[in-house]
Amino acid sequence: DAGVIQSPRHEVTEMGQEVTLRCKPISGHNSLFWYRQTMMRGLELLIYFNNNVPIDDSGMPEDRFSAKMPNASFSTLKIQPSEPRDSAVYFCASSFVAGGPVEQFFGPGTRLTVL
Amino acid sequence: EDQVTQSPEALRLQEGESSSLNCSYTVSGLRGLFWYRQDPGKGPEFLFTLYSAGEEKEKERLKATLTKKESFLHITAPKPEDSATYLCAVLKKGGSEKLVFGKGTKLTVNP
Repeated sequence: DAGVIQSPRHEVTEMGQEVTLRCKPISGHNSLFWYRQTMMRGLELLIYFNNNVPIDDSGMPEDRFSAKMPNASFSTLKIQPSEPRDSAVYFCASSFVAGGPVEQFFGPGTRLTVL
Repeated sequence: EDQVTQSPEALRLQEGESSSLNCSYTVSGLRGLFWYRQDPGKGPEFLFTLYSAGEEKEKERLKATLTKKESFLHITAPKPEDSATYLCAVLKKGGSEKLVFGKGTKLTVNP
């Protein structure tokens, strides 16, 4: 299995530009998670989907952030317009949720720098 | 509010020097406690899940234990390749799959 795939691995953009991060979860998994990691705040959940439906988006910082999951094998996290404080590493994770607590498998992350 | 606190923030050991990392949590009903390892520039890698107080799990030089308020990750005779940041996360009862992470302990093992 290829694991969770994220692209791009690095993104440098200027303030005000639109940024789109992409994720392909592990085949067969039914839940997908978007996290943000910074030195100050650690690893924080932004949003998660179950069976392609957003379940908990309470961690999405503001309206500039949006996430979609059009099918079971693809998700995007969009920031528009981007700001310097959005600079962080963004991780996508997936799991197969069937009632009990299960581990989440993380991708390699996208390091975003907003100038 | 759910909280996960890890200590120490950083730990430096000599190869072979055993020690423990702590994860204290405050959550209204625990479904599971997870330990992950994160290497620089990579995503967290799953190590263990603990479900109830008294439970223990082992993997090579690592052993995780759980009480009603905290978890310990014991590292026995560590090697330089054990150097990484170790993250603890909790999943609370209520149906949400939201993991709440601590900020991690950065472990360095010197040869």
